[in-house]
Amino acid sequence: GNSVTQMEGPVTLSEEAFLTINCTYTATGYPSLFWYVQYPGEGLQLLLKATKADDKGSNKGFEATYRKETTSFHLEKGSVQVSDSAVYFCSTGTASKLTFGTGTRLQVTL
Amino acid sequence: DAGITQSPRYKITETGRQVTLMCHQTWSHSYMFWYRQDLGHGLRLIYYSAAADITDKGEVPDGYVVSRSKTENFPLTLESATRSQTSVYFCASSESGYNWLKGDEQYFGPGTRLTVT
Repeated sequence: GNSVTQMEGPVTLSEEAFLTINCTYTATGYPSLFWYVQYPGEGLQLLLKATKADDKGSNKGFEATYRKETTSFHLEKGSVQVSDSAVYFCSTGTASKLTFGTGTRLQVTL
Repeated sequence: DAGITQSPRYKITETGRQVTLMCHQTWSHSYMFWYRQDLGHGLRLIYYSAAADITDKGEVPDGYVVSRSKTENFPLTLESATRSQTSVYFCASSESGYNWLKGDEQYFGPGTRLTVT
């Protein structure tokens, strides 16, 4: 079956630091890949996505590239802000199944 | 309010009691979903619905019942709550279906935190 592995959190960074959250997956075929973000007290919302190999998803300064050869979809941001503090979920999507990772909590401090 | 809402936001109940969690969306999305979020497990699908009166089991359906008599509502009932059902429950909807290969987006409600004592 499909599975998603994310780096354990929490990740604590100072404002303006560089962020990487690792995500690797196993899936049959070539799934679509997503990053969802959950801000405190809210539901998940789509941050970015990629539907085929070598695609780069980007939004709000975040980026992730679909790497088929390493089955990875790492999330990056060049300069984080306090407002980026949230839980980030990597997920894979096939024709009938969406599989979520366990989430990585990011805490950004001044 | 436009969007997807859940009620109650917080609920404490006792073992053995029946409890219903409500979900309402204003977009007329065909597809709706219930997930539970537990530490160390991410989100797991409980049930989903492709349209009114069409529901199907997800990954962890045991102990739960759903119904969908109207497109906009998708209540989740715990028939006899157990402590293992203590969790955060998220309702979600999707406009175009259940084929995630196309990159379709899910829209999530704010969640219901349920504690079973």
